[in-house]
Amino acid sequence: GAVVSQHPSRVICKSGTSVKIECRSLDFQATTMFWYRQFPKQSLMLMATSNEGSKATYEQGVEKDKFLINHASLTLSTLTVTSAHPEDSSFYICSATEGPGAYEQYFGPGTRLTVT
Amino acid sequence: KNEVEQSPQNLTAQEGEFITINCSYSVGISALHWLQQHPGGGIVSLFMLSSGKKKHGRLIATINIQEKHSSLHITASHPRDSAVYICAAAFNSGGSNYKLTFGKGTLLTVNP
Repeated sequence: GAVVSQHPSRVICKSGTSVKIECRSLDFQATTMFWYRQFPKQSLMLMATSNEGSKATYEQGVEKDKFLINHASLTLSTLTVTSAHPEDSSFYICSATEGPGAYEQYFGPGTRLTVT
Repeated sequence: KNEVEQSPQNLTAQEGEFITINCSYSVGISALHWLQQHPGGGIVSLFMLSSGKKKHGRLIATINIQEKHSSLHITASHPRDSAVYICAAAFNSGGSNYKLTFGKGTLLTVNP
């Protein structure tokens, strides 16, 4: 089956620093990747949709200058949390689809970010 | 508005029991996913279905498009089935794009 990896799996950073999270599709080309955030005991919330080679589409309330998304290739998307603050501490999950119009999303294992 | 409701929120069962988790959605969807999330967070996709029924091992998922309702069943439940089960509905977000709206999840605990 299709595999999506994320790196790192856990990261602790100091307030004010930036953190980059990578999402890779290992055995397929991901035209579209999604970034989600999940706070404790809550459901996943879509942050943005990223299509290879174009700018990401952010959901309402998500700051595009704070959460920088780059989808420069068909197998890699990155999420950079800039000037992280403790309230950004969360579980970040990416998913990928194989092509436009594809319903099935393949999820990465997630990255737990703790900002101290 | 796209809404997904899951029930129950919490479910405790004894090993061997038959489990049912329900999911209802508010408007027409293109597909529905059932996901499993273990402690530690990683998500595994169990099923994606747009009609009828699918079976994989002890897991069965059904969907009724007219009633806007889906169920996930686990037969002969086992402690290792303990996890959060999430349903997610794929709504068309314009053109050929789809977005998932997630239910709040059902925390299943299966006791030995």
